[in-house]
Amino acid sequence: KAGVTQTPRYLIKTRGQQVTLSCSPISGHRSVSWYQQTPGQGLQFLFEYFSETQRNKGNFPGRFSGRQFSNSRSEMNVSTLELGDSALYLCASSLAQGELTGYTFGSGTRLTVV
Amino acid sequence: GESVGLHLPTLSVQEGDNSIINCAYSNSASDYFIWYKQESGKGPQFIIDIRSNMDKRQGQRVTVLLNKTVKHLSLQIAATQPGDSAVYFCAEPPAGGTSYGKLTFGQGTILTVHP
Repeated sequence: KAGVTQTPRYLIKTRGQQVTLSCSPISGHRSVSWYQQTPGQGLQFLFEYFSETQRNKGNFPGRFSGRQFSNSRSEMNVSTLELGDSALYLCASSLAQGELTGYTFGSGTRLTVV
Repeated sequence: GESVGLHLPTLSVQEGDNSIINCAYSNSASDYFIWYKQESGKGPQFIIDIRSNMDKRQGQRVTVLLNKTVKHLSLQIAATQPGDSAVYFCAEPPAGGTSYGKLTFGQGTILTVHP
């Protein structure tokens, strides 16, 4: 069965722009979590969505937002991009909220802000 | 200003050796831990997990040991192979099981296996 699909794989944006990243979970998975990975801070939790509702949120500014659709696909948006937003953005899906068995990561979207 | 990156611990071993990767945690109430492997260009991949009511758990070529007294866990990889070269992370959800989708990751350890 197909894994977690993140699009696009690579993205280059200019400071001040906004960006939308997409995550399609494994079929049947209803929970999607997002993480930011940087050399300086490592892997940090952004937010978790289940049943189209944000269930948990990490310590990131309001420029970072997300949503989940009825088909469980999720998008995250970063507005007013800063150089420090350059990172690998990973999403993970699981069957239900907080369900870690089968918690599966995608390969990520590499965002570069110039 | 200058950006300072994490200085990841590194472990370099010969093929066939056993590898031990360590992780410390701070919350004595932590009740569940997971080890992930991340290869270049990929997302983290689940290796093995352990709950706090266990001291040891074994998988295929991997063993996780949990020492709650000193808040330390380790991942042992037997007969390490070049394909094991990756960054290894320990991770834990918040204690209590109410926010299991919110994992906190360790800084990671770079494992390099030489043929």
